Amino acid sequence: DARVTQTPRHKVTEMGQEVTMRCQPILGHNTVFWYRQTMMQGLELLAYFRNRAPLDDSGMPKDRFSAEMPDATLATLKIQPSEPRDSAVYFCASAPARGEGYTFGSGTRLTVV
Amino acid sequence: AQKVTQAQTEISVVEKEDVTLDCVYETRDTTYYLFWYKQPPSGELVFLIRRNSFDEQNEISGRYSWNFQKSTSSFNFTITASQVVDSAVYFCALGSGYSSASKIIFGSGTRLSIRP
Repeated sequence: DARVTQTPRHKVTEMGQEVTMRCQPILGHNTVFWYRQTMMQGLELLAYFRNRAPLDDSGMPKDRFSAEMPDATLATLKIQPSEPRDSAVYFCASAPARGEGYTFGSGTRLTVV
Repeated sequence: AQKVTQAQTEISVVEKEDVTLDCVYETRDTTYYLFWYKQPPSGELVFLIRRNSFDEQNEISGRYSWNFQKSTSSFNFTITASQVVDSAVYFCALGSGYSSASKIIFGSGTRLSIRP
């Protein structure tokens, strides 16, 4: 089965450090999403891309977060500097232009201490 | 504004019972998509179903069935003869626009526990 691959699976970092999360979407999927899941806020959409162009990043704190798609096989989400409140599970998902729902990756569990 | 409400925070039933998870949505779009996802204890999000706003036919897949009613803005999910493996958090979600690859917003989830 095709799958979305996220790395790393777990990350523990100190406050103030830069964190980079990576996502390899399913080949042929042209839309990539970044979601954050916390107990308090649930699943929140941070940003999404179509054909590598950013379509909406309104859910993302602009001062410290950035999302890019350097090529069709890689999406990145960076946090600089990281803060304890960024601790969450970050999910990447991809979707084809037509078809069923998103396919989610396994997530990156980020802990900022 | 778009919104998905899953009023049931937690449900616990005994194995083999039927259980229905409720989902109510709000949208001003005439074309939209509704989804259900399952998040088992392992944490991944598993796609279960997509339904577009023009298709109100109910769907059955094995022990799972979905009831879509535009008149009440509801998209409820029923598990028949529940099993312990059904224990998970279930999310209902709403997608805007004309493409099923548009952004979707999630409800807060219903934690389902199936007791042996």
